[in-house]
Amino acid sequence: IAGITQAPTSQILAAGRRMTLRCTQDMRHNAMYWYRQDLGLGLRLIHYSNTAGTTGKGEVPDGYSVSRANTDDFPLTLASAVPSQTSVYFCASSKSGTNYGYTFGSGTRLTVV
Amino acid sequence: GNSVTQMEGPVTLSEEAFLTINCTYTATGYPSLFWYVQYPGEGLQLLLKATKADDKGSNKGFEATYRKETTSFHLEKGSVQVSDSAVYFCALRGPSGGGADGLTFGKGTHLIIQP
Repeated sequence: IAGITQAPTSQILAAGRRMTLRCTQDMRHNAMYWYRQDLGLGLRLIHYSNTAGTTGKGEVPDGYSVSRANTDDFPLTLASAVPSQTSVYFCASSKSGTNYGYTFGSGTRLTVV
Repeated sequence: GNSVTQMEGPVTLSEEAFLTINCTYTATGYPSLFWYVQYPGEGLQLLLKATKADDKGSNKGFEATYRKETTSFHLEKGSVQVSDSAVYFCALRGPSGGGADGLTFGKGTHLIIQP
């Protein structure tokens, strides 16, 4: 079934540890995105990639890094986790162009303790 | 820059009631407009969209009309069901959006339907 796969589904992480959230899509979409969702704050864009080999910063990029080595994969890395990074993280992808919406993954629930 | 404003709720209705969730936007150029739905514990799913003025998007009994003159894209449904309980996000995609022509989201409206 075409779509986006995120892993892990949930994770409890000790503060200071490094963590990579995985995201893979099989729709050959050019653009990919990482969002965090927090109660009362809605969805906030962390990083994006308009095409393989390029990335850009969103609204809340500090403490996070991404790479886009190929079309399908867009991992998000927390170099040294802090409790304020406790959130639900969603990966999304889309075709380029303003007429297209996003396809979202099911999310990763991350708790930093 | 682009922005989307929607009521945050929670909005509580009885089953079979009429639903309206207001959404207004500010954008440069001519954006496309979207409604997404998020059921508990899941990711966002595209509910409907409209890509130009006066277009009406519809799906699963929900409708929204792209009104350029009032910069609005209100979501409506004639008779809601308990299974419609979810969070609804209005969004736009256009030039200068988040992430270089990416989507700009509203904060989401939590809808609760009581039997």
